[in-house]
Amino acid sequence: GESVGLHLPTLSVQEGDNSIINCAYSNSASDYFIWYKQESGKGPQFIIDIRSNMDKRQGQRVTVLLNKTVKHLSLQIAATQPGDSAVYFCAESHPGGYQKVTFGTGTKLQVIP
Amino acid sequence: KAGVTQTPRYLIKTRGQQVTLSCSPISGHRSVSWYQQTPGQGLQFLFEYFSETQRNKGNFPGRFSGRQFSNSRSEMNVSTLELGDSALYLCASSGGLAGEEQYFGPGTRLTVT
Repeated sequence: GESVGLHLPTLSVQEGDNSIINCAYSNSASDYFIWYKQESGKGPQFIIDIRSNMDKRQGQRVTVLLNKTVKHLSLQIAATQPGDSAVYFCAESHPGGYQKVTFGTGTKLQVIP
Repeated sequence: KAGVTQTPRYLIKTRGQQVTLSCSPISGHRSVSWYQQTPGQGLQFLFEYFSETQRNKGNFPGRFSGRQFSNSRSEMNVSTLELGDSALYLCASSGGLAGEEQYFGPGTRLTVT
């Protein structure tokens, strides 16, 4: 079945360093991938997305890399700040799935001041 | 533009009871999706409604149901509550196109005792 999993449950990073959060997915039909950030007491917040016809996409301080060969997705956060502390989820959907999104288990990012 | 709102924010119910949660999407959005978030299972897709029709459904028992009104507001109902239904229930709205960004509400925290 479909599954999206994360390699690490918790990641601690020094403020100012770069963070890399990894994610594996299993559905070869997935063509759209999203990273969400969830802060305590809030719903997930969209960070960045990427479609399967791309292998890299950059936003403000964030970059998503997609490796379809090994079904791997990563989120890079440059110059990590205390405000980046949150749980990060990767998620995927596929053609015909419309808004049916499968989420990974989440990685907690802790930024050390 | 107002965000997604969910009511109530917190709810305590007893086993066997039923509960109805409400979600008001962002103005103009026609798609509303519901998710259950628990520490053990993470974020799991319940169902999606688009223009008052259920368009996608996750793998939850029939005790979980929903509907959408002509103004796109949505409700989800859980009947015969079980302890395992304790969770954060999140709704997300979007325009409804495949791969379109979803905007999440803050969630309803349901506790079943």
